[in-house]
Amino acid sequence: EVVMTQSPATLSVSPGERATLSCRASQSVYSNLAWYQHRPGQAPRLLIYGASTRATGIPARFSGTRSGTEFTLTISSLRSEDFAVYYCQHYNSWPPLTFGGGTRVEIK
Amino acid sequence: EVQLVESGGGLLQPGRSVRLSCAASGFTFGDYGMHWVRQGPGKGLEWVSGITWNSGTIGYADSVKGRFTISRDNAKNSLYLQMNSLRAEDTAFYYCAKDISVDSNTLYYLDYWGQGTQVTVSS
Repeated sequence: EVVMTQSPATLSVSPGERATLSCRASQSVYSNLAWYQHRPGQAPRLLIYGASTRATGIPARFSGTRSGTEFTLTISSLRSEDFAVYYCQHYNSWPPLTFGGGTRVEIK
Repeated sequence: EVQLVESGGGLLQPGRSVRLSCAASGFTFGDYGMHWVRQGPGKGLEWVSGITWNSGTIGYADSVKGRFTISRDNAKNSLYLQMNSLRAEDTAFYYCAKDISVDSNTLYYLDYWGQGTQVTVSS
């Protein structure tokens, strides 16, 4: 079973700054990776699929990249609504469906 | 507009059973795979179970295997989760989510989520 490890657990960033979140797979999942945003009290939202393709309606300040088994979600200039918890999830094989432990992006 | 509305949560005693429901609208429910995902207090997202469009393939997390049963009624545009032998560690917010897979025997990622329903297991 593939294990997804996200780092850091918490990221403190000032509004307008760049945030870089990491997700590492324990074995290759190719580009079969999605990112989600979860704000408190709201339903999670799909941000990225295929490691780098933005979902419908997702602003261009969100971008995803892949290097081997390392995946990165970058938020280029943080806005107030971007402070949330972010999860990666691989879909190279199912079941199971595996999420990373999450990265909380908080206001510095 | 895709809508997923969960119901059936509440306060339950350990060992009891409950059935969660998810009413879907805004898309052709019978064509898509579906999931249940939960978030325990202070924890991250945990996948619970998934089901393909025709119920041909079903998967469970090890933590619920043998206790929970996922099902769907495509005629009623509804997804269900029967939860038996409840434990304190099942306390969580339970989300219904739509997969992107269409008429497929596997599932991928989740493009729409409901607002969730709270299940609390406590004596």
